[in-house]
Amino acid sequence: KQEVTQIPAALSVPEGENLVLNCSFTDSAIYNLQWFRQDPGKGLTSLLLIQSSQREQTSGRLNASLDKSSGRSTLYIAASQPGDSATYLCAVKGATDKLIFGTGTRLQVFP
Amino acid sequence: NAGVTQTPKFQVLKTGQSMTLQCAQDMNHEYMSWYRQDPGMGLRLIHYSVGAGITDQGEVPNGYNVSRSTTEDFPLRLLSAAPSQTSVYFCASSYIGTSSVDTQYFGPGTRLTVL
Repeated sequence: KQEVTQIPAALSVPEGENLVLNCSFTDSAIYNLQWFRQDPGKGLTSLLLIQSSQREQTSGRLNASLDKSSGRSTLYIAASQPGDSATYLCAVKGATDKLIFGTGTRLQVFP
Repeated sequence: NAGVTQTPKFQVLKTGQSMTLQCAQDMNHEYMSWYRQDPGMGLRLIHYSVGAGITDQGEVPNGYNVSRSTTEDFPLRLLSAAPSQTSVYFCASSYIGTSSVDTQYFGPGTRLTVL
C-alpha cells in the first residue's frame, strides 16, 4: 500500500529565505507526483506535476525534483515571500489513477 | 471555464439526515473523485469514477454513495449522516492516464458539520 510522508509538518521562516519541503513515498511504481498549495479554508491548487520519467519541473521561484528510485521528491522555494504562506501537499499517482496524498507541510513566511 | 464547482459551501446536518453534495466540471474530464480532509489525516479518497456509468470505492467509502450519469456531474450522497462524517469534502477531476495534462483540478470544498 502506497504511503506518502511529508517532513517537516510545519515550518516558519523569515522572508527571503530559500527553503526545501520534503515528500517521500513507499512504492516507487508511480506515474507522476504533484505538488499542491492549499490556503486556509480553500481548495487545492496544483503547482507542479512531475512525470515518472522526469527529474524536475520548474515554475517561477518553485522547483520540484523527483528521485523515483529512492522514493523522494523535494519542493524548493526560492526567495520566500509572505504570500507563500500556505499548506503544501504532495500526492503520487499510481496505476489505478488514484492520488495518494501526504499530510502536508504548513509554511509560514514572516516579514 | 468554471472548472470544478461544488455546492453547497457549508452545511449543518443532524445525525441521521441524508443529503447530496453536488460536484460538476466543464473540462470534459473522464476522471472524477471525492476526498475528505480531516485534521492530521490529509486527504482520503472516498469514491472515484473513470467515466459515465463507472464508479469505484476509494479508501473510506462507508456511509457514502455516488453515481455518474453524465461526464460533467458526480454527486456524493450521505445516506444517514453521522458525527464522524464531519469534515471538509473536496471534489476533483482530471484526464485519465499518464499524459502530461492529467493535473488534478479541485473544487473549493464543502464544509459539513453533523451534530
